[in-house]
Formats: sequence, structure tokens, C-alpha cells
Amino acid sequence: RKEVEQDPGPFNVPEGATVAFNCTYSNSASQSFFWYRQDCRKEPKLLMSVYSSGNEDGRFTAQLNRASQYISLLIRDSKLSDSATYLCVVNIYNQGGKLIFGQGTELSVKP
Amino acid sequence: DTAVSQTPKYLVTQMGNDKSIKCEQNLGHDTMYWYKQDSKKFLKIMFSYNNKELIINETVPNRFSPKSPDKAHLNLHINSLELGDSAVYFCASRDRGTNTGELFFGEGSRLTVL
Repeated sequence: RKEVEQDPGPFNVPEGATVAFNCTYSNSASQSFFWYRQDCRKEPKLLMSVYSSGNEDGRFTAQLNRASQYISLLIRDSKLSDSATYLCVVNIYNQGGKLIFGQGTELSVKP
Repeated sequence: DTAVSQTPKYLVTQMGNDKSIKCEQNLGHDTMYWYKQDSKKFLKIMFSYNNKELIINETVPNRFSPKSPDKAHLNLHINSLELGDSAVYFCASRDRGTNTGELFFGEGSRLTVL
């Protein structure tokens, strides 16, 4: 089983749609969580951290459920510029601060 | 002013050759990483150095040898290249002390082995 699993998609949605991505992780020692975004043929960049209480940044909302070892990202009012691959990342402190990436979920927002 | 820079950006070579990729960061971070992204886009950690000390060494063939001459540089040397080594190799850095989890990536080095 992969340490971090995501639905690879692709998710094809119209502009203005709400889309949700899910992620599960297997290592209970995972202690911090993040969503990264990767545009085609570019490097990944941090989108947002994920806090236990849930957090929001504009149209983006991240949630964490430690009991279920589950992380989500919700994008409201999708824009064409949101088209990218979204990577779920967990930080495992007791393994030298290893940051493990999921395989990414591809999002394509159409006009 | 590029924060994490890798060279070369593109590398095309024959099987059996030896090649190196260089990485430098000017962010003052104490930890640097090499990740490999294969054709399925899966980003897999290979190595990590903290203040020139190897702290993460995943199950990577010993044909891959990282070297960190100082905390701002982390190079990757690959011996006897194989077809399966074709991938994009990303260097990244962060400051472990801040625990923000924000990795700063270079633009990637696209290696093609023929």
C-alpha cells in the first residue's frame, strides 16, 4: 500500500464548479499535512498547509481527519487557472522529516 | 534571483554513461532533497541532507550517489545509466527548524536515457 494515496483523476469540470479531492495516508506517525500544486512541466509549489481544525484560503478549503487518516481539498468556483495537478503531502517527523507526496490528482477546468 | 537552481535542465544520454546534476539554493536552508518524478508523475523522495549530513536514503540503487559539499549545494551523480532512470529529477530545500513543510523546488532536470 502506498504511504499517501490519491485518486489520480483526471477531474474535468466546468468553470464555476466545486470540486473535492481526497487523500489518505497510512503512517500514523504523520504529523503535518499539505497540499501542493504542480502545473504541467513545472515544479510543485505549496498551495496550503492543512490544520486539524480545517482551514480556508479564499476559494480553497482543506480538512484533516486524523482518526480516519484522511485529508481533503475543496475548490469552490473553479477558474481556468486552477487547472493543474494537486499533490497531497505528509510530513513524517520520526523519519528525518520526510515529506511524502501522493501521486497527485489532475484537475482540468473547462470554459 | 533563483532560489533553488539546478543544472542542467535537460540531459539526453546513452545507456551506460555517467552523469551529474547540480543543485544550489540561496535561501539559507539547512536541508536539501532529491526527488524523482517518473512518467506516471509520481514524485518519490530519494535522498535528504541536513547541514551536509545524509539523513534520508531511500531504497535507491547505489549507482546514485549524492554529495553535499556545503549546506547550499546538493549534487547527484548517476553511474551506468539505465533506461529506467529516465525521469525528471527535482532538487528541493527547506528549513527544517521552521517545520512549515514548505519545500522550495528547483525547476527540475529532465533526464532521457536512450
